Amino acid sequence: GENVEQHPSTLSVQEGDSAVIKCTYSDSASNYFPWYKQELGKGPQLIIDIRSNVGEKKDQRIAVTLNKTAKHFSLHITETQPEDSAVYFCAARINTGTASKLTFGTGTRLQVTL
Amino acid sequence: DAGITQSPRHKVTETGTPVTLRCHQTENHRYMYWYRQDPGHGLRLIHYSYGVKDTDKGEVSDGYSVSRSKTEDFLLTLESATSSQTSVYFCAIRIGYEQYFGPGTRLTVT
Repeated sequence: GENVEQHPSTLSVQEGDSAVIKCTYSDSASNYFPWYKQELGKGPQLIIDIRSNVGEKKDQRIAVTLNKTAKHFSLHITETQPEDSAVYFCAARINTGTASKLTFGTGTRLQVTL
Repeated sequence: DAGITQSPRHKVTETGTPVTLRCHQTENHRYMYWYRQDPGHGLRLIHYSYGVKDTDKGEVSDGYSVSRSKTEDFLLTLESATSSQTSVYFCAIRIGYEQYFGPGTRLTVT
């Protein structure tokens, strides 16, 4: 099955700096790569995603890049703010016979310090 | 939360007792999923449903069963709870490619 690795597990940046989180996947059939933000005590929230036919996608301060050849994708957050502090998860989607499934990375705890 | 509610939100139960968690959605989405979240493991798929009475196993399905008798409800049952099933459980629905998660249920098995 699909395997998704995520690095780093923890990341501390100063307010205003950029943060980058990287993920690799194993199955070349994966075709969709979402990123989730999870705040303490809440469910994961979809923040950005990218499909396999696109190399980069941007939404205000966040962007995602995808390198299909190398099987890796990354989340970029610019001009970080304290409210960006949370746990971030990457995932890869693969179709099965009955439904698509997401395989998640193990998460990155981002702390934005003042 | 894409119209998803989970109940109960917190539960403490004893080893060997049966437990049922409920996921309810208000928008008639076809696909529903149950995940568990544990430190160091991210989110792992337990079971999913692709329609009423249509369900299939995920990667960590042992010890769990599911049922979906109505479009809006997807139930997760632990037939005989064990301490290894202490976790936070999330339900999700799928809209197109995107999955949206509920608020979660924290289950503690003592």
